[in-house]
Amino acid sequence: EDKVVQSPLSLVVHEGDTVTLNCSYEVTNFRSLLWYKQEKKAPTFLFMLTSSGIEKKSGRLSSILDKKELFSILNITATQTGDSAVYLCAVDSGGGADGLTFGKGTHLIIQP
Amino acid sequence: KAGVTQTPRYLIKTRGQQVTLSCSPISGHRSVSWYQQTPGQGLQFLFEYFSETQRNKGNFPGRFSGRQFSNSRSEMNVSTLELGDSALYLCASSFSTGKALLDTEAFFGQGTRLTVV
Repeated sequence: EDKVVQSPLSLVVHEGDTVTLNCSYEVTNFRSLLWYKQEKKAPTFLFMLTSSGIEKKSGRLSSILDKKELFSILNITATQTGDSAVYLCAVDSGGGADGLTFGKGTHLIIQP
Repeated sequence: KAGVTQTPRYLIKTRGQQVTLSCSPISGHRSVSWYQQTPGQGLQFLFEYFSETQRNKGNFPGRFSGRQFSNSRSEMNVSTLELGDSALYLCASSFSTGKALLDTEAFFGQGTRLTVV
């Protein structure tokens, strides 16, 4: 059974801090890893990673994948209160009964 | 362009009833996946449809079923509702070429909050 584990489960930091969220996975047939931000209902897409060692960047957010060690990190620099959300990591193992396998998420709270 | 649209947004049903949820994908997207999200289990994959065919199915009982129409809109049906079916049901669409579950990123709708009493 495919497995995705995120850590920490929750994190409280102050505005301006830098945070690193972790995602490790164990899947039979890795195709891609995705990060989503979920504030109220719809998870919104952040990054899709398929190749090891290539950093994806969007503003203050960046992510990198290590396919050898089976993990990914999501970095957020100069955090703002609007970054408060649940960050979800999901792995696509190419279909089958697992579809997209999601981690439980990291609940990030940014305090002013 | 318009995002993924799910209807209804909220639903309250009693045990034993059945329910149908609807999902309209982003225009041009042919793959629609359904997920159940609960506080205890997180997001879990239900099934995925591509070109009107169920391509992948998660480990949910047969009470959960779905279909996809020729315009890529999808419906999910849950029969004989149980209290444990109370959850947020999310659908996601992606522009799949048909070779795999996810060739590009999946975009989620706002979800349908189902409460079974």
